[in-house]
Amino acid sequence: AQKITQTQPGMFVQEKEAVTLDCTYDTSDPSYGLFWYKQPSSGEMIFLIYQGSYDQQNATEGRYSLNFQKARKSANLVISASQLGDSAMYFCAMREVYNQGGKLIFGQGTELSVKP
Amino acid sequence: EPEVTQTPSHQVTQMGQEVILRCVPISNHLYFYWYRQILGQKVEFLVSFYNNEISEKSEIFDDQFSVERPDGSNFTLKIRSTKLEDSAMYFCASSALGSSYNEQFFGPGTRLTVL
Repeated sequence: AQKITQTQPGMFVQEKEAVTLDCTYDTSDPSYGLFWYKQPSSGEMIFLIYQGSYDQQNATEGRYSLNFQKARKSANLVISASQLGDSAMYFCAMREVYNQGGKLIFGQGTELSVKP
Repeated sequence: EPEVTQTPSHQVTQMGQEVILRCVPISNHLYFYWYRQILGQKVEFLVSFYNNEISEKSEIFDDQFSVERPDGSNFTLKIRSTKLEDSAMYFCASSALGSSYNEQFFGPGTRLTVL
């Protein structure tokens, strides 16, 4: 069965420093996509970055990058130069190719707090 | 930029009442989803909808729940007889395609409170 694990319930980082949020996953499907979403205190879900299982290079989007280690089944999110506005919940999610409806399976989330 | 919209933003209802949560997906998207998030917990999949029918549903999506696309733009989630444990944030999402590399765009959510 598909599963996403985020082992860090909460993280603190100093403003302007980099932080890594961990995500491991389990699937028997060779084709899948991995996503990171940000949920600020206002509640909306904001898409950050995507990594496909066959992508050769790690995904990057501005200050966000994804450290994808397929053999270890990990897809850690790296936020460089943290800003106060980065304080939020961060969810890792997976979507499988052969998943009939294309649903996303989410991890438990990591609450990131950026300190000034 | 196109976005998913949801109404109402907050709904308060009495236990046993019916509620309908409304969503307007992005206009050229074909796949539609409902998720829920109980306060402080992870986001959970409820149901996916494609080509005017349910393509997948979770064990949470029991007979009390139903979805409908009544016209070309709206996508609704109905809870027939609400329970206290239905209190949660409900997110609608849409996707152009159902493949693994397609991003799902989420609406702002409807916070449902059952008293």
